[in-house]
Amino acid sequence: QKEVEQDPGPLSVPEGAIVSLNCTYSNSAFQYFMWYRQYSRKGPELLMYTYSSGNKEDGRFTAQVDKSSKYISLFIRDSQPSDSATYLCAMPRTSGSRLTFGEGTQLTVNP
Amino acid sequence: GAVVSQHPSWVICKSGTSVKIECRSLDFQATTMFWYRQFPKQSLMLMATSNEGSKATYEQGVEKDKFLINHASLTLSTLTVTSAHPEDSSFYICSATLTSGGTDTQYFGPGTRLTVL
Repeated sequence: QKEVEQDPGPLSVPEGAIVSLNCTYSNSAFQYFMWYRQYSRKGPELLMYTYSSGNKEDGRFTAQVDKSSKYISLFIRDSQPSDSATYLCAMPRTSGSRLTFGEGTQLTVNP
Repeated sequence: GAVVSQHPSWVICKSGTSVKIECRSLDFQATTMFWYRQFPKQSLMLMATSNEGSKATYEQGVEKDKFLINHASLTLSTLTVTSAHPEDSSFYICSATLTSGGTDTQYFGPGTRLTVL
């Protein structure tokens, strides 16, 4: 079993839709949770960083963590074609240690 | 802030030659850098952890004599693919760890696409 599970998609939505991206993890040692966005042929870009259960909002993006269920989510409101990318969840066991990545979900937002 | 650069962005080389890829943290110092490779439509695979002034720690299955890593300063790490072969063709990405406010965050470079003919 993988430590971090993420549905690879692909996920296709119309412009303006609310997008929900999710990851589950099996190792309770994970304490920090990150979401990266990766455009084709580019390096990943950090979107959100959380370390506690609950919600964290940044513009159109909301990261949600439920440690009791070992489940994290990223919500994108009012999705735009420019949001089309692969979204990767990532977790280090401790701050600064190596990251364990999900497989990545490929998202396409259609105009 | 927190910008990481890589050079070159793409390189084509002949089989048997060596290729050096540079990773630089432009506006911060990074004690730790990581090297990944990524195949099409797949997630990132960690190759090695690079700490400034010490030997890199390689992941299981990664040949340290083939993928030479040097972390000579707090802003520069290099990955040299020695005697490259077509199966080494891949997208290589580095990341650098920024420590701020008691937390460490990895910032990624734009990647280097290597094609070995």
